[in-house]
Amino acid sequence: DQQVKQNSPSLSVQEGRISILNCDYTNSMFDYFLWYKKYPAEGPTFLISISSIKDKNEDGRFTVFLNKSAKHLSLHIVPSQPGDSAVYFCAARDISNFGNEKLTFGTGTRLTIIP
Amino acid sequence: DGGITQSPKYLFRKEGQNVTLSCEQNLNHDAMYWYRQDPGQGLRLIYYSQIVNDFQKGDIAEGYSVSREKKESFPLTVTSAQKNPTAFYLCASSLLAGVFTDTQYFGPGTRLTVL
Repeated sequence: DQQVKQNSPSLSVQEGRISILNCDYTNSMFDYFLWYKKYPAEGPTFLISISSIKDKNEDGRFTVFLNKSAKHLSLHIVPSQPGDSAVYFCAARDISNFGNEKLTFGTGTRLTIIP
Repeated sequence: DGGITQSPKYLFRKEGQNVTLSCEQNLNHDAMYWYRQDPGQGLRLIYYSQIVNDFQKGDIAEGYSVSREKKESFPLTVTSAQKNPTAFYLCASSLLAGVFTDTQYFGPGTRLTVL
């Protein structure tokens, strides 16, 4: 039962354009969301997070939008750069498990930036 | 400089042998985690520990064991009971256990191949 879904396994975007990565979730108890970026044979690195009390969080070229009613979040990267080519994982934390900080990850989206 | 180290980067073992993967952090983080990544799948939690001498099973703990004798170390043993041990293993840590907004930081990973 995949509680966090990234339905697009891959995405190609022209350099300089906007990249939009999507994530859907089913567990209504998820209350905190994170995006990680991962290069091959390396550990994921934290990008940006958002709490359910917000609908938008921005950090430089990265913006995450949260639509709680639709159980949907998205990561916008603008402008896209070649170094953004990586696999992006969406992750969620169940706030009802307070004290147990387990993250539930999506399956990832491979983003390729075309020069 | 501070960080999470995992060794070795690549590990080969014969079927039926136990193998221990190392994870060390010098970030003074309370909580540590072990994840497994398989092709086309998200990261799945194996075990986590919020404090020294205490740990909990994650979603796929069968065939694995851990110990947390020191704050900075959280080794994972892949036993012969694990049916499909070949995978990419990732260790992570976070500063404060019990803080749901805390970010998990990942090590570089160990790729285990069982022949």
